[in-house]
Amino acid sequence: DTEVTQTPKHLVMGMTNKKSLKCEQHMGHRAMYWYKQKAKKPPELMFVYSYEKLSINESVPSRFSPECPNSSLLNLHLHALQPEDSALYLCASSQIDGSSGGARETQYFGPGTRLLVL
Amino acid sequence: AQSVTQPDIHITVSEGASLELRCNYSYGATPYLFWYVQSPGQGLQLLLKYFSGDTLVQGIKGFEAEFKRSQSSFNLRKPSVHWSDAAEYFCACNAGGTSYGKLTFGQGTILTVHP
Repeated sequence: DTEVTQTPKHLVMGMTNKKSLKCEQHMGHRAMYWYKQKAKKPPELMFVYSYEKLSINESVPSRFSPECPNSSLLNLHLHALQPEDSALYLCASSQIDGSSGGARETQYFGPGTRLLVL
Repeated sequence: AQSVTQPDIHITVSEGASLELRCNYSYGATPYLFWYVQSPGQGLQLLLKYFSGDTLVQGIKGFEAEFKRSQSSFNLRKPSVHWSDAAEYFCACNAGGTSYGKLTFGQGTILTVHP
C-alpha cells in the first residue's frame, strides 16, 4: 500500500482565518514533506520532516507552520494567508535511506488540498 | 547544482499512437531518476524510477523509460497511448547528499490525446 491521504480536499479561507491541512500515511515512512504547487508548474518543496523533526525549511513565510505530531501524521497550520498562497498543497512521504544520502528515497504523494485564499 | 529539463511543454498524440516524452538531467554523478504523472487537480503518481542496473525500466500503466548516460537522458515511452493517459508528466531527479530530501523536477509535459 502506497497511500498518502490528505484532508480536506478543498479549502476556502479568508486572510484572517486560521486553518490546518492534514496528511497521514501508514507505510512506516519516517520522512514527510509539504509541497506547494501553482497551476502549470512543478511542485515546490516547503518543508521536510525526518524522524518527526523538521530537517528542511525552504525559507517559507511564518504564516505557514508545519507540525509532525507522530510518525504517521503531518499538519500544516495556516494563518493570515495572502491570495497568492492559493495553490494545491501536496504532502509526500518516503523511507529514509541513509546509505544513499537520501538519493534513493522514493517519495509517494497524496492527492493534495486545493486552497483558495480570498 | 542538478537540473532537469523537459524540452516539450505540450505534446499531442492520437489514441493508439506511440509516445515518447523527453527528459534531460544535469548532474555530475549517477542521478536517481523518477517519472511522475499528475491528472488535473490530483496528486503525483509514481510511474517508474531508475536507481541502477538495467537501463530500461518498466513502470505501471504500460510505461517504460530508458536511462542513457551518454545523452544524460531518461525518456519515457509507451507503445500505444490510451485516452486516459492524458495528464501532465514530470521527470524528477534526487541527488541526495547536500540536496537531501529535495526532488528536482522538470517543468512538466502536458499530454493531450486525440480520439
